[in-house]
Amino acid sequence: QVQLVESGGGGVQPGRSLRLSCAASGFTLNSYGMHWVRQAPGKGLEWVAVVSFDGSNKYYGDSVKGRFTISRDDSKNMLYLQLNSLRDEDTGVYYCARGGPKILRGTYYYYYMDVWGKGTTVTVS
Amino acid sequence: AIRMTQSPSSLSASTGDRVTITCRASQNISSYLAWYQLKAGEAPNLLIYSTSTLQSGVPSRFSGGGSGTDFTLTVSCLQSEDFATYYCQQYYSYPLTFGGGTKVEIK
Repeated sequence: QVQLVESGGGGVQPGRSLRLSCAASGFTLNSYGMHWVRQAPGKGLEWVAVVSFDGSNKYYGDSVKGRFTISRDDSKNMLYLQLNSLRDEDTGVYYCARGGPKILRGTYYYYYMDVWGKGTTVTVS
Repeated sequence: AIRMTQSPSSLSASTGDRVTITCRASQNISSYLAWYQLKAGEAPNLLIYSTSTLQSGVPSRFSGGGSGTDFTLTVSCLQSEDFATYYCQQYYSYPLTFGGGTKVEIK
């Protein structure tokens, strides 16, 4: 059964750091691009970051660029998100999501999100 | 960044109704559009990708259409389990962006 389980959320003060983890099971991580998506309380979904299937490319949303870092450890079937310089507005539920089949357009690969975890909650205050 | 605008932001409907949600992109995204369903406390669920391709396991009462900048998600016969919030999302260019969501509530 394909499954993603996030962990590492919690309460943290502004300016501090946190690392989120996402454990993948039921599939081999190294064949897929992987995303982080978040949802602030009462708000909609916001894409945070993606790492390509081979780890060679990473892209970020404008609001987290320079503060958050996505990474993967395929040997452990794990995805990570390092959150630095946290702000109040980073509060929310963070989801990891598997990328669908990679789509090459121009020089970039793109992925929609075909499997999601249930999320882990980050509270910055 | 490409802006995705959904309408309506919420709607009330009854079981058995036909419901259509629209999504407009601020520029041409070809057919690189997906739809997701979100229920509180659950993992989001992919419904449709490439504008109109139904994800495996998703009921056929869901359908998607459009191209370029204007897209639709239609539920042909609303069931009780369909009351949720729906999001469109473009994967044409980075940063990826979602619409603001449409909450479908019971009338």
